[in-house]
Amino acid sequence: DAGVIQSPRHEVTEMGQEVTLRCKPISGHDYLFWYRQTMMRGLELLIYFNNNVPIDDSGMPEDRFSAKMPNASFSTLKIQPSEPRDSAVYFCASSVGRGLTYEQYFGPGTRLTVT
Amino acid sequence: GDSVTQMEGPVTLSEEAFLTINCTYTATGYPSLFWYVQYPGEGLQLLLKATKADDKGSNKGFEATYRKETTSFHLEKGSVQVSDSAVYFCALTSMFSGGYNKLIFGAGTRLAVHP
Repeated sequence: DAGVIQSPRHEVTEMGQEVTLRCKPISGHDYLFWYRQTMMRGLELLIYFNNNVPIDDSGMPEDRFSAKMPNASFSTLKIQPSEPRDSAVYFCASSVGRGLTYEQYFGPGTRLTVT
Repeated sequence: GDSVTQMEGPVTLSEEAFLTINCTYTATGYPSLFWYVQYPGEGLQLLLKATKADDKGSNKGFEATYRKETTSFHLEKGSVQVSDSAVYFCALTSMFSGGYNKLIFGAGTRLAVHP
C-alpha cells in the first residue's frame, strides 16, 4: 500500500489567501484525522472523521478552518482566509476500526507558510 | 482529562549509549499506550505499543513496559545509533462516548545521537 498521501508537501501563500490541503487515506481505513504541528503547541488534533462523517471538530481553531470528506478516499482541510499564525505542518492520518488498540498511520505532512 | 507527560529534550547521546525517555500518563479507564517516532521531514510512525498492564512493546531494539502501578511507559534502548536521531512521542488512546477513540500525544522528546 502507498500509505497516507498528502498534497501539496509544501505551500507558501500570502495572508488572506485560501489554502486547501488534501489527503488520501489508506484504502479500507474508516477513520481519518487532521493534525497540526507547531513548535509552540506541539501536535494538535483538529478534526476526525469516521466513515466520512465528522465526529469531533472541537480542535478546529476557528471558523476560518473547515474540513470535508466527500468519500472514503479523499479529504480536504481548507483555511480561508489564511493568516501568518496558521503556519505549521499539517498531518493527515488514518486508521481502521474502533477501540483502544488501533494504530494511526500518518502521512508525510504539508508544510504551510503564510507570509 | 487524559494526558501524557514526557521528559523534555533534547537528549544528546553518543553512539552505543543507553537510552531512556520517560513517559507518564493520566487516564481514566485502561488506555493503550504507544511510542511514535518522527524522523526529520517525515510524518509520525508507530514504533511500538502495549495494550494492557505489564505488556512489553518492542521494535528495532526499543522497548517499553506498560506499568499501571506507576502510570508509566518509559522508552529504552540498550545501544543507540546515529540513525535513531529523531523526535519520539509517547501517546495514549482515550475513549469517547460511542466507542470512538483518539490519540493523546505528549510534547515529544528530541534525541540526537553523535558518532
